[in-house]
Amino acid sequence: DAKTTQPPSMDCAEGRAANLPCNHSTISGNEYVYWYRQIHSQGPQYIIHGLKNNETNEMASLIITEDRKSSTLILPHATLRDTAVYYCIVRVGSQGNLIFGKGTKLSVKP
Amino acid sequence: GAVVSQHPSRVICKSGTSVKIECRSLDFQATTMFWYRQFPKQSLMLMATSNEGSKATYEQGVEKDKFLINHASLTLSTLTVTSAHPEDSSFYICSAPASRNQPQHFGDGTRLSIL
Repeated sequence: DAKTTQPPSMDCAEGRAANLPCNHSTISGNEYVYWYRQIHSQGPQYIIHGLKNNETNEMASLIITEDRKSSTLILPHATLRDTAVYYCIVRVGSQGNLIFGKGTKLSVKP
Repeated sequence: GAVVSQHPSRVICKSGTSVKIECRSLDFQATTMFWYRQFPKQSLMLMATSNEGSKATYEQGVEKDKFLINHASLTLSTLTVTSAHPEDSSFYICSAPASRNQPQHFGDGTRLSIL
């Protein structure tokens, strides 16, 4: 049980902002929200993570709702190289491992 | 930032061969590393947790005698697929956290194809 719900796929026009939603209504108070992406035939790449506050780094912004039941990853100016599967993860296993769901396949189109 | 290196990136070999995959943390020490497996069009599934200086912890359904894990140092974990068969063909990925509360970083994966 990955504890997150994401749309299976999304399209975005090149140069536009890509907004990827994630529902995590059963998140616990001390669980972080992590976002990773996986480009075809590569290992997952860390993007950003947060607990309560919105976060921004050189790759993306993370907006977490006040009740923490959902979040949105924002890629401000999507490029073709941002085409990937994006995983929203809140659950950490007993060993400290990340538990992956099915993610959202983002296709950035010219 | 933290980097995890995985080698080789691709292996093609005959059925019955044993294959060793290496996972190295390049600029940090990792007492724990994770090995995942990913079949086509599926998500990553944890196979085992590699612990430096002690035995690995395997997930249910993963044969410890088939998937040998050695974590001999704080920067290296190896996964050996023994007597590999076509059904072991998959994408194997390792990861390691730089520290307890830091995000995990992943290797680039190893595409294993058994003929």
